[in-house]
Amino acid sequence: GDSVTQMEGPVTLSEEAFLTINCTYTATGYPSLFWYVQYPGEGLQLLLKATKADDKGSNKGFEATYRKETTSFHLEKGSVQVSDSAVYFCALRRRGDKVIFGPGTSLSVIP
Amino acid sequence: DSGVTQTPKHLITATGQRVTLRCSPRSGDLSVYWYQQSLDQGLQFLIQYYNGEERAKGNILERFSAQQFPDLHSELNLSSLELGDSALYFCASSVADGAGKDEQFFGPGTRLTVL
Repeated sequence: GDSVTQMEGPVTLSEEAFLTINCTYTATGYPSLFWYVQYPGEGLQLLLKATKADDKGSNKGFEATYRKETTSFHLEKGSVQVSDSAVYFCALRRRGDKVIFGPGTSLSVIP
Repeated sequence: DSGVTQTPKHLITATGQRVTLRCSPRSGDLSVYWYQQSLDQGLQFLIQYYNGEERAKGNILERFSAQQFPDLHSELNLSSLELGDSALYFCASSVADGAGKDEQFFGPGTRLTVL
């Protein structure tokens, strides 16, 4: 079945460091790919998405490119801030199907 | 603020009891989805309703049931509660029936603690 794998956390970075959170997926067909973020004590928010191969999703300085050849959707940010501390979930959704989430990666950014 | 509301925010109850979680979707959204987030299982899809009818089912236990009312709000009923049911329950909504690539908007969640 479809699945999403993310790098294990927690990830701890200093402010202004470069962030990469790896995500790979297994799915039939051409799913849409998403990154969601969950801030402490809050629900999930859609951070960015890509609906087809080679699409780049971007939002709030975060970027991820849909790479079908490597079945990956890695999340990157050039300079993280303390306010980026949260749990990040990679997810996929095939047309007409439920969203499948990865296990989440906790990010802590220290001043 | 996603526009999806969930009540209550926190719920503490005992094993064997029954609880009801409520979700109001964003204005205009016809689909409601329920998810369970627990430490050992991660985020799992439970069930989807579209315009009052069940559309898709995921890993929902038989002790759990849901419905969507004519005003489109939804309730998730959890009965014969067990310690392992302690989790964060999210509701999400989307405009259409999920067949397209429409986005799901998540509520803040209800944290259920079973003692």
